[in-house]
Amino acid sequence: AQSVAQPEDQVNVAEGNPLTVKCTYSVSGNPYLFWYVQYPNRGLQFLLKYITGDNLVKGSYGFEAEFNKSQTSFHLKKPSALVSDSALYFCAVRGAGTALIFGKGTTLSVSS
Amino acid sequence: KAGVTQTPRYLIKTRGQQVTLSCSPISGHRSVSWYQQTPGQGLQFLFEYFSETQRNKGNFPGRFSGRQFSNSRSEMNVSTLELGDSALYLCASSLLAGDPGELFFGEGSRLTVL
Repeated sequence: AQSVAQPEDQVNVAEGNPLTVKCTYSVSGNPYLFWYVQYPNRGLQFLLKYITGDNLVKGSYGFEAEFNKSQTSFHLKKPSALVSDSALYFCAVRGAGTALIFGKGTTLSVSS
Repeated sequence: KAGVTQTPRYLIKTRGQQVTLSCSPISGHRSVSWYQQTPGQGLQFLFEYFSETQRNKGNFPGRFSGRQFSNSRSEMNVSTLELGDSALYLCASSLLAGDPGELFFGEGSRLTVL
């Protein structure tokens, strides 16, 4: 069975500092990996995905993620955090023909 | 292009009642997935439909059911509501089912069970 782990419930960073939100996964076969963001009382917004190819994936709002097959990780990163990046972030994985399964989410808090 | 539309946005029910939630996918999308979001359990997968057929099902009791119509619109039903069913129910659509494309989410239907 596939699964996703986000080991940190909350990540706190100062504005302008780099941020990392961690994600590890387990899936049979090649993984399709995603990051989504959720603002209060809203649905989820797609940030980026890894299907195949370059291990470094660039997405919306300056976010990027690095796929590491040996460590089964897909960490979300941003070189310089903004206060407006404060939100709930979800990592998700699906295998071929399977449903998209989400981690429990990580709350990112960026202080000014 | 209109996004995923979920109705109603908010509803309050009492224990034992049933509820039906509706989801209209993005035009041209043929796959619809449903998720339950709660503070304690996070986002849990309910079902995935494609061309009126259920392709994948999560680990929920039989009180939770769904269907998809020929126009790709989907409904989910929860019967004999329990307090623990209070949650944000999110619908998402995609072009196809099980492919590497991303899901597009609606704003959700927030169900409160009293």
